Amino acid sequence: QKEVEQNSGPLSVPEGAIASLNCTYSDRGSQSFFWYRQYSGKSPELIMSIYSNGDKEDGRFTAQLNKASQYVSLLIRDSQPSDSATYLCAVIPLSGGSQGNLIFGKGTKLSVKP
Amino acid sequence: DAMVIQNPRYQVTQFGKPVTLSCSQTLNHNVMYWYQQKSSQAPKLLFHYYDKDFNNEADTPDNFQSRRPNTSFCFLDIRSPGLGDAAMYLCATSREFTDTQYFGPGTRLTVL
Repeated sequence: QKEVEQNSGPLSVPEGAIASLNCTYSDRGSQSFFWYRQYSGKSPELIMSIYSNGDKEDGRFTAQLNKASQYVSLLIRDSQPSDSATYLCAVIPLSGGSQGNLIFGKGTKLSVKP
Repeated sequence: DAMVIQNPRYQVTQFGKPVTLSCSQTLNHNVMYWYQQKSSQAPKLLFHYYDKDFNNEADTPDNFQSRRPNTSFCFLDIRSPGLGDAAMYLCATSREFTDTQYFGPGTRLTVL
C-alpha cells in the first residue's frame, strides 16, 4: 500500500512568518513529487513540482526533497493571510498501482493570522 | 490560456437519476483523469484515459462510467447516483503519466 503522510494541522503561523509543511512517503522508488494548494470548496492548484534531491525555489515557495529519507517539504516565506488553505502533498509512485496514480496525503491545513 | 474546463460547476440530481459531468482541455495532454473528493478527504482516483486506453481503478463502483470521444473531451457518467456519491468531482490532465497533473475547477454534485 503506497502511502503519503502529512500532519493534518491546523498549522497556524503569524503573517510574515515562515510556514513549514512536511510530508513523508512510503514508496522508495517514487520519482515525481508535487505540492498542491486547495482553498475550501475549490480544486487543487499546483504550487510546486520537484523531481530531484535538493531545493527548488519559486518566489516565496521552496520545495525540498530528500529521497534517502523519503521526505519532501514546502516552505512558505513571508506568509500571507491569502496563503491560508489546505496543502496537499502528492507523489507518483514508480511501482505498483495504476500508472499515473497520484497518491495524495490527507493535507495540512494552514492558517496565517494577520 | 490553455486550461481544463469542467461543466457544470454545480449539479443537483435526484437519487437514482443519471447524471453526466463533462471535462474539456486545451492542453493537448495525453492523459485525462477523474477524481472524487469528499469533504476533508484527499482526492480519490476513479479512472483515467491515456489517449483512448481506459483504466478503471479496482475499487471504482460499476455505477461510474467514463467516455473519451476525442483528445479534448472526457465525460463521467453516474448511472444511478446514491446519497454517498455527493462529492466534488475533479478532472485532471497530464502530458504523460509521470508529469504534473493539472486540475479543472471541479463539479460539485448534490444528490437529493
